[in-house]
Amino acid sequence: EIVLTQSPATLSLSPGERATLSCRASQSVSTYLAWYQQKPGQAPRLLIYDASNRATGIPARFSGSGSGTDFTLTISSLEPEDFAVYYCQQRSNWPLLTFGGGTKVEIK
Amino acid sequence: EVQLLESGGGLVQPGGSLRLSCAASEFTYTNYAMTWVRQAPGKGLEWVSTISGSGGSTYYADSVKGRFTISRDNSKNTLYLQMNSLRAEDTAVYYCAKGGRVRGVVDYYYYGMDVWGQGTTVTVSS
Repeated sequence: EIVLTQSPATLSLSPGERATLSCRASQSVSTYLAWYQQKPGQAPRLLIYDASNRATGIPARFSGSGSGTDFTLTISSLEPEDFAVYYCQQRSNWPLLTFGGGTKVEIK
Repeated sequence: EVQLLESGGGLVQPGGSLRLSCAASEFTYTNYAMTWVRQAPGKGLEWVSTISGSGGSTYYADSVKGRFTISRDNSKNTLYLQMNSLRAEDTAVYYCAKGGRVRGVVDYYYYGMDVWGQGTTVTVSS
């Protein structure tokens, strides 16, 4: 099973700051990585698929990069609505998906 | 707007059974694989099961294999999850999600889930 490790567990930032979230895979997943955002009491929302493709309706301040085992989700300038938990997910052996443990982006 | 609406959650005793449903609307349901993902209280996301668009192929996480059965009724645009021999560790919010896909060089491929329902809560406790 491919294990995804997200870091840091918590990121404390202020609105307007840049957020950099990391996801590391236990073995190569090529670019088969997605990112989701989840707010309290809500379902996850797809942000990025295949490492760097923004999903429909996702603002340009969200960007994804990486390949192989190391991936990054960047939020260029945090808006108040961006404070949430973010999960990465790999699909290299679809449909046996695995998720990372999540990174919480909280207001400093 | 694509919508997914789960139902069927509740409180059940260990060893009991429950059937979840997920009603889909505003997309060509038979064209898409569907997935169940769960989230235990205060925890992360866990993939549970996926079914192909036709219903002919099913896949399960090891943690539920042999106890849960995924199915779909394409005439009713509805997805199901039959959960038997429930354990305390099955307590979670269960989300149904539509397979997100894009067209590759030869055919479509799935990258994850692009639309999620609001979730239904399953509590296994005596």
